[in-house]
Amino acid sequence: GDSVTQMEGPVTLSEEAFLTINCTYTATGYPSLFWYVQYPGEGLQLLLKATKADDKGSNKGFEATYRKETTSFHLEKGSVQVSDSAVYFCALNNRNSGNTPLVFGKGTRLSVIA
Amino acid sequence: GAVVSQHPSWVICKSGTSVKIECRSLDFQATTMFWYRQFPKQSLMLMATSNEGSKATYEQGVEKDKFLINHASLTLSTLTVTSAHPEDSSFYICSAREAGGRGDTQYFGPGTRLTVL
Repeated sequence: GDSVTQMEGPVTLSEEAFLTINCTYTATGYPSLFWYVQYPGEGLQLLLKATKADDKGSNKGFEATYRKETTSFHLEKGSVQVSDSAVYFCALNNRNSGNTPLVFGKGTRLSVIA
Repeated sequence: GAVVSQHPSWVICKSGTSVKIECRSLDFQATTMFWYRQFPKQSLMLMATSNEGSKATYEQGVEKDKFLINHASLTLSTLTVTSAHPEDSSFYICSAREAGGRGDTQYFGPGTRLTVL
């Protein structure tokens, strides 16, 4: 079945450091790919998405490119801030599977220290 | 746009009582809503898929008589935890997928923290 694997955390970075959170997926067909962010005590917020190969999703300085050849959707940010501290979830939706829920990775906790 | 609300945001109840959690899509119609449970520092666990006008589909291991789901309209789904016990204490999150339109994105509510004493 479909699955998402993302790097395990926690990841601790200093402010203004470069961030990469790796995400790879297994799916048939052409899934849509997502990154969600969860701040402490809150629900998930959509951070960015990409629906086809070579698409780049971007938002709030974060970027991720849909790489079909490597089945990856790595999240990057050039300069993190303390306010970016949160849990980040990579997810996919396989439109070939009908009205099914997103398949999530296990989440990566990011802590940014001043 | 694409806002999902949950009510209440937190609730404390005594063991044996029932608790209802509402999930609403505020600016779009959702034919499908999903209910998740999240334990501290863990990922989301899908409990059930709720389709408007039909019975919910529960994931393996989730008791349908314990967690009653009603998707009465295109903007409202409810989860009722019946005869709650301390082990039901958790963070419950709903999400909604818009009918047509924006397609396959799921929008999440802010979550409801349930504490059963």
